[in-house]
Amino acid sequence: ETGVTQTPRHLVMGMTNKKSLKCEQHLGHNAMYWYKQSAKKPLELMFVYNFKEQTENNSVPSRFSPECPNSSHLFLHLHTLQPEDSALYLCASSQDYSQVEQYFGPGTRLTVT
Amino acid sequence: AQTVTQSQPEMSVQEAETVTLSCTYDTSESDYYLFWYKQPPSRQMILVIRQEAYKQQNATENRFSVNFQKAAKSFSLKISDSQLGDAAMYFCAYRSLHTGTYKYIFGTGTRLKVLA
Repeated sequence: ETGVTQTPRHLVMGMTNKKSLKCEQHLGHNAMYWYKQSAKKPLELMFVYNFKEQTENNSVPSRFSPECPNSSHLFLHLHTLQPEDSALYLCASSQDYSQVEQYFGPGTRLTVT
Repeated sequence: AQTVTQSQPEMSVQEAETVTLSCTYDTSESDYYLFWYKQPPSRQMILVIRQEAYKQQNATENRFSVNFQKAAKSFSLKISDSQLGDAAMYFCAYRSLHTGTYKYIFGTGTRLKVLA
């Protein structure tokens, strides 16, 4: 595997379910990001991890819980979501947080029913 | 706060023709980067081209070029000799260079259709 991978690619969950999104990067990077992409809205940065430390949390509701066990893996734990949380969730990585270029994964299409 | 505006939700271009996608931004900073990203249907977002604000020369990558007007805060993307594979969502993005504020600001995107 090369680049940034995300699993699952598609996820349908009820509002009371608990699920997790996984992101893995094979680029040797040290910074990883979660973005939310909703139709007709700009990409919204959710969380940033730099060298496994969370450096940004852009006022994301607590029903989204990130986890970064090492520089190659990033998780987004989901609990008690709302229908408006349905979106494409993108993971990205960069060499570190100061580096300009980010590499994106293919995203997980999440539908909350 | 910085903002990025893409006023064209959708554009169409005939194959082999040229199309220009518009982007304007607002910032009080003098040093920053601007980007165009391409997101094909169901595929990963990839970087098309980037421009450093301190460089007056417009960036070019093969068939892709930008028209960067710093004073006007305008950053348009020109695609020459359009190909069917150019069909995608295109996002304009801004990134500060100030320490501690590295996050990207994205526009809402322009969907480009290429007509055969």
